Amino acid sequence: DAGVIQSPRHEVTEMGQEVTLRCKPISGHNSLFWYRQTMMRGLELLIYFNNNVPIDDSGMPEDRFSAKMPNASFSTLKIQPSEPRDSAVYFCASSGHFDEKLFFGSGTQLSVL
Amino acid sequence: SQQGEEDPQALSIQEGENATMNCSYKTSINNLQWYRQNSGRGLVHLILIRSNEREKHSGRLRVTLDTSKKSSSLLITASRAADTASYFCATDGGNAGNMLTFGGGTRLMVKP
Repeated sequence: DAGVIQSPRHEVTEMGQEVTLRCKPISGHNSLFWYRQTMMRGLELLIYFNNNVPIDDSGMPEDRFSAKMPNASFSTLKIQPSEPRDSAVYFCASSGHFDEKLFFGSGTQLSVL
Repeated sequence: SQQGEEDPQALSIQEGENATMNCSYKTSINNLQWYRQNSGRGLVHLILIRSNEREKHSGRLRVTLDTSKKSSSLLITASRAADTASYFCATDGGNAGNMLTFGGGTRLMVKP
């Protein structure tokens, strides 16, 4: 099993540009999570999908952030327009049926200049 | 806001010594989990302890849970340089589903 796959690994962009982060969960997993990690705020849950449906997006910072899961094997997190304060490591994680532990991807290091 | 808070924030020990990290949380839980994060990598699940359990072992790891004090501890025995990483506790807030809230983490350095 390849694990949770995220792309790109690193992203450097300028303020105001659109950023799209991608995630492929582990095959067969039915839950997907997007987290953001910063030194100041630690790990924050942004949004949670179950069976491709967004269940809780209360952690999404503002309307500039949006997430989709068009099918069981793909999810995107989009920031438009990006701002320097969005600089962070964004993690995608998935979990399977009746499995309480999360499997994390390697993350996307986002730098907004 | 973070559900769990780890203590200490940073810990430096010599190889062979034991490392103890503590976690406090605020609400009821179904289970509490510990994760490890190596620098520049994603988190890796280490161990899960349920709210009706008091202690659990996995290899060199020992986890305790005190629900009356809303606290947990992770003990790594006979530490190795390869154990150098950040360790996080995570709680589910007593909710169904796997929405985990993570603490701020303990940065462990094991000196060879």
